[in-house]
Amino acid sequence: QQQVKQSPQSLIVQKGGISIINCAYENTAFDYFPWYQQFPGKGPALLIAIRPDVSEKKEGRFTISFNKSAKQFSLHIMDSQPGDSATYFCAARSGGYNKLIFGAGTRLAVHP
Amino acid sequence: GAVVSQHPSWVICKSGTSVKIECRSLDFQATTMFWYRQFPKQSLMLMATSNEGSKATYEQGVEKDKFLINHASLTLSTLTVTSAHPEDSSFYICSAEEGNTEAFFGQGTRLTVV
Repeated sequence: QQQVKQSPQSLIVQKGGISIINCAYENTAFDYFPWYQQFPGKGPALLIAIRPDVSEKKEGRFTISFNKSAKQFSLHIMDSQPGDSATYFCAARSGGYNKLIFGAGTRLAVHP
Repeated sequence: GAVVSQHPSWVICKSGTSVKIECRSLDFQATTMFWYRQFPKQSLMLMATSNEGSKATYEQGVEKDKFLINHASLTLSTLTVTSAHPEDSSFYICSAEEGNTEAFFGQGTRLTVV
C-alpha cells in the first residue's frame, strides 16, 4: 500500500513532442505528490509538485495532472527538448517530515 | 529554492576504512534530514531519517552500526560508512525539508570502495 508505481520505465520522444509519465498509488493518506528530475551523477531536483485539492498544476512546460478518484497522477512535458533527457521520479508522502515514497523512475531520451 | 550541500562529491577509500559524508542545509534550518542510497539505474532507497538532537530512524534492513548518522545541528547531518567494503560502493544522497513542505536534495556522493 506504500508503493508508487511508475510507468513507463523508459521513454523516447522526438524534439518538440510531448512526454508523458504516469504514476499510481494506493495509500489514500498521501497528500503531497512531487516530481523530481535527475541527471547522471547528480541528486534529484524538484520539478513540480501537487496536492490532492487540485486536479492540475502547470509550471512552464511541465504540467501535473492529478486524478484523485483513480489514485493516479502524471507528468506532461510539452515541447520536449534534448536538455530534458534525464531520469524522472514521481513520489508521494503523507504529512510533512514523513518519508517520500519514490516510483521506480523513467529514463527519458529526447531525440533532436 | 533552498540549497542542500553534500560533501564530498566523490570519494575512493580502501576496504576496511571508514568514510564520512556531510549534508548541510545552507540557507535554512532542517530539523529532519533523510539519507538515501541509489544503485545504477535504480530508484532512491531510503536508508534512514535523521532528526536533530536525537537518534536516527533506520529503515528495515539497514545496519545502523555500519551506517552511522549524526544530526548534531539544525544545518548539518553526517553519514559515516564504517568498515567499508566493495558492496558499500554506491551513490549516497541526502535531503532536507524546509518548512514542512518541499524536500531539497544534495548533489550526491559517489562512494567507491576498493
